[in-house]
Amino acid sequence: DAKTTQPPSMDCAEGRAANLPCNHSTISGNEYVYWYRQIHSQGPQYIIHGLKNNETNEMASLIITEDRKSSTLILPHATLRDTAVYYCIVRVAYSNTGNQFYFGTGTSLTVIP
Amino acid sequence: DAGVIQSPRHEVTEMGQEVTLRCKPISGHNSLFWYRQTMMRGLELLIYFNNNVPIDDSGMPEDRFSAKMPNASFSTLKIQPSEPRDSAVYFCASSLGGYGNTIYFGEGSWLTVV
Repeated sequence: DAKTTQPPSMDCAEGRAANLPCNHSTISGNEYVYWYRQIHSQGPQYIIHGLKNNETNEMASLIITEDRKSSTLILPHATLRDTAVYYCIVRVAYSNTGNQFYFGTGTSLTVIP
Repeated sequence: DAGVIQSPRHEVTEMGQEVTLRCKPISGHNSLFWYRQTMMRGLELLIYFNNNVPIDDSGMPEDRFSAKMPNASFSTLKIQPSEPRDSAVYFCASSLGGYGNTIYFGEGSWLTVV
């Protein structure tokens, strides 16, 4: 069962910030939000994950709303190489049992020159 | 650091033939996952190993599919006999800590059964 809802596609101008939304209104207290992306013909690539605090790494920032029912992945300066399908996943972390990574259909981001 | 290594990258085979896909997880990782990706069904988990033991194989489509992990650094996914509907990209992934932690994917094995 899909636990997340994402828009099927988005465009972003090169050099601009790409803001990818994700709704996860049924998220449980012990579930983390993960983001992966898949560039054509490659394996999915881990981007970032978080529980309730905003997170930032060298690739992106993750903003999670206070009620944790939605989040936004931010690519601060999108490049053509960021064109990919972005997957938002919620799952229990740091546990050897429990739900799998369910990838859903993701958002196809196209960065436009 | 070497990531998850899969072979072959591409394989074309005839219906009825045996197909063996291979995976070397990231050194030190104790969990390994096999996924299949198609346009129709997206990315599906087939089987999950923890410490070389199959934990969840509920995603394995049928008896024609089998997976083994004889040691911590090697796994195989075998299809026998193969059918055209098995055509897909098969990804192997590994993690430290089972389902819990971040999983890292290989580049995939593109299988075409004609």
